[in-house]
Amino acid sequence: AQSVTQLGSHVSVSEGALVLLRCNYSSSVPPYLFWYVQYPNQGLQLLLKYTSAATLVKGINGFEAEFKKSETSFHLTKPSAHMSDAAEYFCAVTLSGGYNKLIFGAGTRLAVHP
Amino acid sequence: DSGVTQTPKHLITATGQRVTLRCSPRSGDLSVYWYQQSLDQGLQFLIQYYNGEERAKGNILERFSAQQFPDLHSELNLSSLELGDSALYFCASSSSQQGDTQYFGPGTRLTVL
Repeated sequence: AQSVTQLGSHVSVSEGALVLLRCNYSSSVPPYLFWYVQYPNQGLQLLLKYTSAATLVKGINGFEAEFKKSETSFHLTKPSAHMSDAAEYFCAVTLSGGYNKLIFGAGTRLAVHP
Repeated sequence: DSGVTQTPKHLITATGQRVTLRCSPRSGDLSVYWYQQSLDQGLQFLIQYYNGEERAKGNILERFSAQQFPDLHSELNLSSLELGDSALYFCASSSSQQGDTQYFGPGTRLTVL
């Protein structure tokens, strides 16, 4: 069965520092992988997705993620944090070749300090 | 703005009651998904419809049901409500069944008192 583990329910960084949010997945077949962001009192917005093309995926707002099959990881990074990046981030997986339901990780709340 | 609309935005009701949540997908999207977000369970997939037909079921209680109408909007019906049903309910839509991006609506916050 598929599953997603996000290491660290809370991450705090200084403005301008590197952002690294960790995601590991478990899937018996090639997965599609997604990162979504949720701002307070809003829905989920897609940051980026991996669909078996390039392993380094660039998304919106300067975020990127690298798919590493050997490590079953899909960590999200941003070189320099902005105050506006403070939000909750969700990693999700769905099966290729199957139905499209998303399996979400527990989420990581990112705080950015001046 | 994702193009997915959900009504109402907030809903406050009492235990034992029944409510209906409504979702309109993005123009042209045939698939609609319902998810529940709660502090206890996180984000969980409930059910998927594709062009009016049920396609996949997740952790959806028997007290809950959904349908997708010919105009592709969807409704999630929650009955015999319990305190534990208080959560944020999201609808998402996509243009196909497999691997496509799901676009989420703003959610309906349900509070059961």
